[in-house]
Amino acid sequence: GESVGLHLPTLSVQEGDNSIINCAYSNSASDYFIWYKQESGKGPQFIIDIRSNMDKRQGQRVTVLLNKTVKHLSLQIAATQPGDSAVYFCAETTGRRALTFGSGTRLQVQP
Amino acid sequence: DTAVSQTPKYLVTQMGNDKSIKCEQNLGHDTMYWYKQDSKKFLKIMFSYNNKELIINETVPNRFSPKSPDKAHLNLHINSLELGDSAVYFCASSKDTQYFGPGTRLTVL
Repeated sequence: GESVGLHLPTLSVQEGDNSIINCAYSNSASDYFIWYKQESGKGPQFIIDIRSNMDKRQGQRVTVLLNKTVKHLSLQIAATQPGDSAVYFCAETTGRRALTFGSGTRLQVQP
Repeated sequence: DTAVSQTPKYLVTQMGNDKSIKCEQNLGHDTMYWYKQDSKKFLKIMFSYNNKELIINETVPNRFSPKSPDKAHLNLHINSLELGDSAVYFCASSKDTQYFGPGTRLTVL
């Protein structure tokens, strides 16, 4: 069936470096994409979203890129901090349906 | 002023028991959801309610029964608990973006 997946299960970066977390999706009908951050013992926390009519959206220290041609989504975190250490999920949906989540990438920030 | 809250946070019980998890949101959202996160961190939708009506019911055993007494609440009742039900259960609500509760870690012994 359709699915959303991630290339790297664990990403380790040095504090201050930029981080890039990638996600591949297969449902070409998806029109809304979200990145969530999940810290240990907590629920997924919304980071940033993007609709299919855009290819880039920026937030505070985070940027999401959407490439619909190759069905690829990425999350860029600038100047990664220890507080960014968490599991990051991409998710996709069509309209107001429930989210389909990727398998998650663990980001480890080394001080 | 928690947006989406769940109780209890931890639930440990024996196989065969019946248990409930409660969820409340104060965001005024019309749609609420239950997700299950397994030991490998994979999140999967179980149910979705819109204005107290069930709109999504994924392939979930009928031992799981959601109940929505009003738009702000979506409770999850589980009958005859099995070992494989052990997981973290998340409630969420949305208007557009989904906001998640803190989760309930269920352990079935």
